[in-house]
Amino acid sequence: QSALTQPASVSGSPGQSITISCTGTSSDVGSYNLVSWYQQHPGKAPKLMIYEVSKRPSGVSNRFSGSKSGNTASLTISGLQAEDEADYYCCSYAGTVVFGGGTKLTVL
Amino acid sequence: QVQLVQSGAEVKKPGASVKVSCKASGYTFTGYYMHWVRQAPGQGLEWMGRINPNSGGTNYAQKFQGRVTMTRDTSISTAYMELSRLRSDDTAVYYCARNPAGTELDYWGQGTLVTVSS
Repeated sequence: QSALTQPASVSGSPGQSITISCTGTSSDVGSYNLVSWYQQHPGKAPKLMIYEVSKRPSGVSNRFSGSKSGNTASLTISGLQAEDEADYYCCSYAGTVVFGGGTKLTVL
Repeated sequence: QVQLVQSGAEVKKPGASVKVSCKASGYTFTGYYMHWVRQAPGQGLEWMGRINPNSGGTNYAQKFQGRVTMTRDTSISTAYMELSRLRSDDTAVYYCARNPAGTELDYWGQGTLVTVSS
C-alpha cells in the first residue's frame, strides 16, 4: 500500500486560510469516507483533528474543516494562528490503514 | 480520563527483538481496537498494525508481516507490540493509539523511542 500524497510544505500569514491536499487512489481515499487528519507539534504525539472526512472531535476548533472530492481529501484551516504551525498528516482506510507523507505548515 | 501509558525507551542491537507495552486506563479496554504507529527520526507516520483487544485478532501492514506480533493482556488492560530481527532503520518512536472506528485514532500514548545500534 503506497503512502497518500501530500505537499511537503504550505505556509500562510496569521488570519489567512490554507488548504492541505491529500491524494490517494480509488482503492483508498476514493472508496471510503474514512479519511482522518492529525496535527503533530515537534516532540509530541499526533492529535486527531478531523475524522470521517469532515467530522471534528470535541474540543477541536471549528477553524479546522475537512472535505473530499474523488481521490483527493483536503484539510482547510481558516483564521490561521501561530499555534497552528505544525506537521499535518492525512490517513485513510484502504483495507488496512495508510498515512500521507505529512505537510509542514509554517505560519509566517 | 482516557490514558495510554507506554513503556520506556529501549536500546537494542541489530538482530534483537523489542517489546513495547501500552497500558490503557479510563475506558473499557476491550471495547476499542488498538493501533500501533511508528515515526523514524525526521520522518512521517507509518502504520504498523492493529489488535482487537476483545478477540486478540490482528491485522498487520504487509511491510511488517513476519516480524511484528501484537498481543494483549486484558487482565491488566495492556497491549503489546513486539518487533523482531531489528535493523538500524527500525530506530523510531513507536506509538499506540486507541481506535473507536475507521481511521479515527482519538487517544495516543506518549511514544516509546527504540534505538537500534551496534
